[in-house]
Amino acid sequence: DQQVKQNSPSLSVQEGRISILNCDYTNSMFDYFLWYKKYPAEGPTFLISISSIKDKNEDGRFTVFLNKSAKHLSLHIVPSQPGDSAVYFCAASAYSGGGADGLTFGKGTHLIIQP
Amino acid sequence: DGGITQSPKYLFRKEGQNVTLSCEQNLNHDAMYWYRQDPGQGLRLIYYSQIVNDFQKGDIAEGYSVSREKKESFPLTVTSAQKNPTAFYLCASRDLRRGANNEQFFGPGTRLTVL
Repeated sequence: DQQVKQNSPSLSVQEGRISILNCDYTNSMFDYFLWYKKYPAEGPTFLISISSIKDKNEDGRFTVFLNKSAKHLSLHIVPSQPGDSAVYFCAASAYSGGGADGLTFGKGTHLIIQP
Repeated sequence: DGGITQSPKYLFRKEGQNVTLSCEQNLNHDAMYWYRQDPGQGLRLIYYSQIVNDFQKGDIAEGYSVSREKKESFPLTVTSAQKNPTAFYLCASRDLRRGANNEQFFGPGTRLTVL
């Protein structure tokens, strides 16, 4: 049973436009959410995160929105650049318990930025 | 230059042989993690460790073993009991200190191919 779902395996966006990547989760215990960017045969790189006490977090071109009632979060990239082409993973964890539990990942969305 | 190193980048083994993947970090992080990625899939948690000489099973621990004799090192052994060992293996670490960011930092990964 997948607890973190990224329902779009791929997304194609024109350079300069907004990219919106979506993620849904089912576990109500999740209270911390992260987005990672990954290139083939490399480790994921952390992009941005959000705690469940917030509904928005912004860092440069990247903004993450969290809708707790819908158990949905999204990553917005504005404007999209060619270097943004990669696989993006949504991840979640229950950190409020103070433990070191691992992350639960979605299957990823392959973002392709077209010139 | 702080970070996580995994070696080797590519590893080949014959079926039935145990193999140990190394992971070293100089970030002074308490927690370390092992994940596995298969094609088209997200990362799945194998084992994690919050402190030296202690570790916990993740979602897919069967056929794997770990040790945590030093804070900087968290080697993963893929045993012959693992039915599908060919995969991309990723090691990560996280700072558990109060007030630290909650993201996990990933190494470059090791691609294991069992022939």
